[in-house]
Amino acid sequence: QKEVEQDPGPLSVPEGAIVSLNCTYSNSAFQYFMWYRQYSRKGPELLMYTYSSGNKEDGRFTAQVDKSSKYISLFIRDSQPSDSATYLCAMRILTGGGNKLTFGTGTQLKVEL
Amino acid sequence: SQTIHQWPATLVQPVGSPLSLECTVEGTSNPNLYWYRQAAGRGLQLLFYSVGIGQISSEVPQNLSASRPQDRQFILSSKKLLLSDSGFYLCAWSVLGTRNQPQHFGDGTRLSIL
Repeated sequence: QKEVEQDPGPLSVPEGAIVSLNCTYSNSAFQYFMWYRQYSRKGPELLMYTYSSGNKEDGRFTAQVDKSSKYISLFIRDSQPSDSATYLCAMRILTGGGNKLTFGTGTQLKVEL
Repeated sequence: SQTIHQWPATLVQPVGSPLSLECTVEGTSNPNLYWYRQAAGRGLQLLFYSVGIGQISSEVPQNLSASRPQDRQFILSSKKLLLSDSGFYLCAWSVLGTRNQPQHFGDGTRLSIL
């Protein structure tokens, strides 16, 4: 079993839809959670990060963490064609560990006109 | 602001040839530096990380090596490339010594071995 599971998609939605992207994890020591967006042939770009349970909002993006269920989500409101990309979740233990991240395999999102 | 540069963007090499990929970071001092390989459907695999000049930790045994000759320079090398070394190589940095340390990535090198 992988430490971090993420549905690879592809996920196709119409413009304006609310998108929900999810990851589950098995290691309860993970305390720090990130979402990255990766466009084709580019490096991942940090979208959001949090180390607490609950919601964190930034513009059209909301990150949600449920540590009791070992489940994290990224919601995108009013999705745009420019949101079409692969979304990677990443996580690490809070201290030590050399700041090493464990990544999901990514979910490919396509927002259609 | 901080920026990270990787080059070349694309590289095609024959099997058995040497490799040198370079990564530099600007706008910060004493960063943590990382090399990842990304394969389709397998996510990002951490290859090496460094917390300072000359300090390299290897995560997986492989045909590659890394060096950090200067504070903001990180080099990925191989003496003889294998077909299995093909992939998308990403360099990343993070701030050293703070609690919240998101990693920031360069735009990668796509390496094809023929």
